Amino acid sequence: AQSVAQPEDQVNVAEGNPLTVKCTYSVSGNPYLFWYVQYPNRGLQFLLKYITGDNLVKGSYGFEAEFNKSQTSFHLKKPSALVSDSALYFCAVEGNMLTFGGGTRLMVKP
Amino acid sequence: SQTIHQWPATLVQPVGSPLSLECTVEGTSNPNLYWYRQAAGRGLQLLFYSVGIGQISSEVPQNLSASRPQDRQFILSSKKLLLSDSGFYLCAWRLAGGRRGIQYFGAGTRLSVL
Repeated sequence: AQSVAQPEDQVNVAEGNPLTVKCTYSVSGNPYLFWYVQYPNRGLQFLLKYITGDNLVKGSYGFEAEFNKSQTSFHLKKPSALVSDSALYFCAVEGNMLTFGGGTRLMVKP
Repeated sequence: SQTIHQWPATLVQPVGSPLSLECTVEGTSNPNLYWYRQAAGRGLQLLFYSVGIGQISSEVPQNLSASRPQDRQFILSSKKLLLSDSGFYLCAWRLAGGRRGIQYFGAGTRLSVL
């Protein structure tokens, strides 16, 4: 069975600073990995995915994620955080079904 | 372009009452459809998924059921709601046939059972 761990319930970052939201996964076979963002009382929005190829994946709103097979990680990053990036972020892995992590709340302070 | 609609956005129901949440997708055919529940603003739990009309798979046995009467319509139901059914319900769709595909989510329904 596949699983996803997001070890931080909340990440606090000052606006303009780089941010990292951590994700580790466990799955049999080749991993298909996704990041989604959720704003309050809204559905999830797709940010980016890793299927194969370059380990650095670029996505929407300036986000990127780095796939590390040896560490089974897929951390979400952004070079310069914005206050508007404050939201709930979900990592997900596709095995026989899409499995989501517990979510990490990102708080960007002015 | 494809869009997904969920309604109602908010629902307050008494314990023991029935439930019907509807989800429709436009702009695509034969999508895979999903119902998730999100409790306390955190992780998502897959409740049901469907790969075609009348084909429903249940991931978690509970007080809910799902139906797909039309290709792009997915309904979540309950005959008698429990307090524990409160939560944020999300419908999602994906193109059929691929594990690599993105799931697209509706805006969600916040259900409060009192």
